[in-house]
Amino acid sequence: DAKTTQPPSMDCAEGRAANLPCNHSTISGNEYVYWYRQIHSQGPQYIIHGLKNNETNEMASLIITEDRKSSTLILPHATLRDTAVYYCIVLNTGTASKLTFGTGTRLQVTL
Amino acid sequence: EPEVTQTPSHQVTQMGQEVILRCVPISNHLYFYWYRQILGQKVEFLVSFYNNEISEKSEIFDDQFSVERPDGSNFTLKIRSTKLEDSAMYFCATGLAVSDEQFFGPGTRLTVL
Repeated sequence: DAKTTQPPSMDCAEGRAANLPCNHSTISGNEYVYWYRQIHSQGPQYIIHGLKNNETNEMASLIITEDRKSSTLILPHATLRDTAVYYCIVLNTGTASKLTFGTGTRLQVTL
Repeated sequence: EPEVTQTPSHQVTQMGQEVILRCVPISNHLYFYWYRQILGQKVEFLVSFYNNEISEKSEIFDDQFSVERPDGSNFTLKIRSTKLEDSAMYFCATGLAVSDEQFFGPGTRLTVL
C-alpha cells in the first residue's frame, strides 16, 4: 500500500471548515483513499473513502486531485467533538483489507 | 445503530498468564480484525479473519496469539503467555465486505504486570 504524509497537527475554530491534507504521491490505480479518526483513546471511526471522484457523506467531504497524488478531507462546520487524530490511509481493497495507520493529523477545534 | 462491543473494558493480568479478549461483531459482518495500540503509539494491525480462518497476520501476531469464533458469534483473541510488552489497547473491528469500512469496538485495555 502507498505511503501517506500528513501534517502532525492543525487547529480550527469551531464552526469553520477544517481542511485536512494528505499526500499519497505513490498511489496506484486500484488503491482507494480512506479516512478514519480516533477521538482520544476510543476505537478508530470510519469517515469516508474514495477512488478518484470527490465524495460527500453526512460527516465530511473528500476531495481527490485529478492525478490522485493528494487529497483533502473537509469537515464543513467543525465542532469541539471533532477534535481527534485523523488518519489518511491508502488501501488496495482487492488484495488486502488491513488498515495501516500512520501518525495522522491531530486536529484541535477551539472556541 | 449496530455497534461492535468488546469485553472486558480493562483486563489486568500477571506476566505469563493467559488472557482472552472478546468481541461481539455486528451481526451480518463477515470480516473480523484485531488491532492494538500501545500507549502513545500508532494503531497496529494484528490479524484479519474470514470464513473461519486467518486471512492475514502481522509480525506481531506470533505463536503466542490465536483467534477464533468459538460459537459463530463471538470473536476472540487469546494471548497464551502474556509479556509486559503486550500491555496495550486492543481493538476489534468488523466489516461486511473486504472493501467496506471497518467498524471498531471501544477496545480492551490490557495491563500486564
